[in-house]
Amino acid sequence: QKEVEQDPGPLSVPEGAIVSLNCTYSNSAFQYFMWYRQYSRKGPELLMYTYSSGNKEDGRFTAQVDKSSKYISLFIRDSQPSDSATYLCAMSPILTGGGNKLTFGTGTQLKVEL
Amino acid sequence: ETGVTQSPTHLIKTRGQQVTLRCSSQSGHNTVSWYQQALGQGPQFIFQYYREEENGRGNFPPRFSGLQFPNYSSELNVNALELDDSALYLCASSLDGGGVTDTQYFGPGTRLTVL
Repeated sequence: QKEVEQDPGPLSVPEGAIVSLNCTYSNSAFQYFMWYRQYSRKGPELLMYTYSSGNKEDGRFTAQVDKSSKYISLFIRDSQPSDSATYLCAMSPILTGGGNKLTFGTGTQLKVEL
Repeated sequence: ETGVTQSPTHLIKTRGQQVTLRCSSQSGHNTVSWYQQALGQGPQFIFQYYREEENGRGNFPPRFSGLQFPNYSSELNVNALELDDSALYLCASSLDGGGVTDTQYFGPGTRLTVL
């Protein structure tokens, strides 16, 4: 079983739709949760990060973490064609020393259509 | 733009050969991490270097090795290439090692094909 599971999609939605992207994880040591966006032929870029359970909002994006269920989500409101990309969840334990290794999900491919 | 660059963009090698991939981190970033991203998969952590010392390693064999230089550049070396090594190799730089909030900025990657 993978430490982080993510539905690979592809997910196709009309412009303006609300998109929900999800990951589940099995490692209780994960305390720090991130969402990255990766356009074709590019490296991942950080969208949001959060430590704690609950919601964190940044513009059209909302990250949600439920540690009791080991489940995280990213919501995109008013989706735009420019949001078409692969979305990767990533997690890290809080380390007292060095090496903040990120563990990624497989990524969900999103297409927002006009 | 993140300021992290990688070279070359694409590379084709044959099984058994050796390859060196290069990364130039953002100025002032003391930490570089390397990831392997197979097609349709998320990036997998290979190792991290902090101030020129290895600072954590994932589940990759010793034929994957690295170097970090004082001028914010780094290398990933892979010996005895196997077909399964075909992937996008990403480097990510961050300001300081060990900080969980230390954002990792990714380069565009080098796509390696092993024939």
